[in-house]
Amino acid sequence: EAEVAQSPRYKITEKSQAVAFWCDPISGHATLYWYRQILGQGPELLVQFQDESVVDDSQLPKDRFSAERLKGVDSTLKIQPAELGDSAMYLCASSLWKQGINPGLAGDEQYFGPGTRLTVT
Amino acid sequence: GENVEQHPSTLSVQEGDSAVIKCTYSDSASNYFPWYKQELGKRPQLIIDIRSNVGEKKDQRIAVTLNKTAKHFSLHITETQPEDSAVYFCAASIPYGGSQGNLIFGKGTKLSVKP
Repeated sequence: EAEVAQSPRYKITEKSQAVAFWCDPISGHATLYWYRQILGQGPELLVQFQDESVVDDSQLPKDRFSAERLKGVDSTLKIQPAELGDSAMYLCASSLWKQGINPGLAGDEQYFGPGTRLTVT
Repeated sequence: GENVEQHPSTLSVQEGDSAVIKCTYSDSASNYFPWYKQELGKRPQLIIDIRSNVGEKKDQRIAVTLNKTAKHFSLHITETQPEDSAVYFCAASIPYGGSQGNLIFGKGTKLSVKP
């Protein structure tokens, strides 16, 4: 069964350093999401891509966070500089959904990767 | 924007009993309601979902019900087993501007099934 892949699984970094996370969605999935999950809470969306285009980055702290999906397949999320409050699980998810193809009745199931646990010291 | 409230935050049941987790949402435009199970240190796994054109959906021991009028939906697990122990998240999705709506998650329910 195909799964979303993420790396690294764990990352410890000092504050003010740069950190990057990588995600490879399920093959054929047009839409890719990055979520942040603070311990004890539900995931919160940071950015959504359809193919290589950003659909929604309204919750992405753009002064320090950036995300790209240059070829519409895998994606990278970067934080620079990292702050203590960035310590969390960073989850990537993907879905088949594509505007104009799925009428919203199917294909929008989101499948999550294993996440990257970030600790900022 | 959409807000999803989930109750209870913790739930402890005896093996074989039923467990019910409830969620309410604020935006009547929400049309997709998935449930995820997350075991400690693992990825959230989609276990069941329901769309706004359906009132109930069942898959073996799990079922989800949706009341659009009251804007709440519930997860029902029957004949619970120790392996059902995990954190369960509900979510709601609103379509907007022709794009897929983002999932707004509840805060989670930690279910413990005692053997």
